Amino acid sequence: AQSVTQLGSHVSVSEGALVLLRCNYSSSVPPYLFWYVQYPNQGLQLLLKYTSAATLVKGINGFEAEFKKSETSFHLTKPSAHMSDAAEYFCAVTNSGGSNYKLTFGKGTLLTVNP
Amino acid sequence: ETGVTQSPTHLIKTRGQQVTLRCSSQSGHNTVSWYQQALGQGPQFIFQYYREEENGRGNFPPRFSGLQFPNYSSELNVNALELDDSALYLCASSPPRTGSYNEQFFGPGTRLTVL
Repeated sequence: AQSVTQLGSHVSVSEGALVLLRCNYSSSVPPYLFWYVQYPNQGLQLLLKYTSAATLVKGINGFEAEFKKSETSFHLTKPSAHMSDAAEYFCAVTNSGGSNYKLTFGKGTLLTVNP
Repeated sequence: ETGVTQSPTHLIKTRGQQVTLRCSSQSGHNTVSWYQQALGQGPQFIFQYYREEENGRGNFPPRFSGLQFPNYSSELNVNALELDDSALYLCASSPPRTGSYNEQFFGPGTRLTVL
């Protein structure tokens, strides 16, 4: 079984400050890991993904995440927050050896960016 | 290229009724997955269809059923609606399998309210 824990249901930062959203996973097999962003009343947009290549993954909109197997973590960072980054962020995991790649999501972290 | 589309956008039903939600996959995609996202929660996997056959199911009762058509579009049917079925229902399509992970592209969702 796989699971994802996102620490902090709500993170608030000032514009220009570092964004750090935390994600820890549990998986009995090598995982594939993802970060998605959801804006109000919209579907999910993929920010970045780890599929067993480089452990430091760069995504869209200046976001990046580092896969740390020893810590079972995949935290999302952005050096400088922008007002447009305000949204809900979901970390997800899937089984690299699976047949259907079903995604297991965390409960989400709402990011607020203050001017 | 048209992305994943879902209809209707919003729907209001009463307890005990039946509902059908529709999803058109992205051009060239042959796999469709459905997720339920309750308010304040991450999406939960309902089931996946590949080449018109169910290919994996999450922890949802049999009153949640689906179909995939020859053009790879899909329907999600829910019978005997309960109040807890109120949620955003997300559809995601994936391209033909290449042996490695195939990204899931999400539609905007259908917001179902059960009164």
